[in-house]
Amino acid sequence: QQQVKQSPQSLIVQKGGISIINCAYENTAFDYFPWYQQFPGKGPALLIAIRPDVSEKKEGRFTISFNKSAKQFSLHIMDSQPGDSATYFCAASINAYGGSQGNLIFGKGTKLSVKP
Amino acid sequence: DAMVIQNPRYQVTQFGKPVTLSCSQTLNHNVMYWYQQKSSQAPKLLFHYYDKDFNNEADTPDNFQSRRPNTSFCFLDIRSPGLGDAAMYLCATASPFANSYEQYFGPGTRLTVT
Repeated sequence: QQQVKQSPQSLIVQKGGISIINCAYENTAFDYFPWYQQFPGKGPALLIAIRPDVSEKKEGRFTISFNKSAKQFSLHIMDSQPGDSATYFCAASINAYGGSQGNLIFGKGTKLSVKP
Repeated sequence: DAMVIQNPRYQVTQFGKPVTLSCSQTLNHNVMYWYQQKSSQAPKLLFHYYDKDFNNEADTPDNFQSRRPNTSFCFLDIRSPGLGDAAMYLCATASPFANSYEQYFGPGTRLTVT
């Protein structure tokens, strides 16, 4: 019940296209859903995050769509660029104060390659 | 700039020879985490500190220990590294008094065991 399932494992997109990565969870106590971007040899960096009280959050070219009833959330990268080529991790945690101190449950990651 | 710093960035140690990795932060965050990340895998939480309170994950081997002498610094000690401990070790921080437990990761230390 603590798992977060992420798909696809790898994704190849043409420059200018839309990249879509999906995640699903079981634990309805999760209340914070971040996406991390990681370049080779670097630590993960927070890209965008959402709470279950909204269905969508957009920051620039990056959008999270959240479906509470289906227990699914997805990352959409519009106008994908070669510089977006990285590994993307979805995660979930119980973020309320005192709730397991924000321990992140990560998906297995998606390696995105954007071809010029 | 406020940040999470890890030293060294690359560490080579011999099989069985103790090694210490260090993490420092200028964010003044209460919570510090240590993760292990192997190639093409997600980060795996080893343990975390909430202030001085230590929280060990159930499946973290006894070979891994940690110290947090003050708010700014946290150390990961590997008492007898095995070949299977070769990985990237990531430190992260968070503050429960912010709007969320957003975790800020350091650049990592790449550990090689020979």
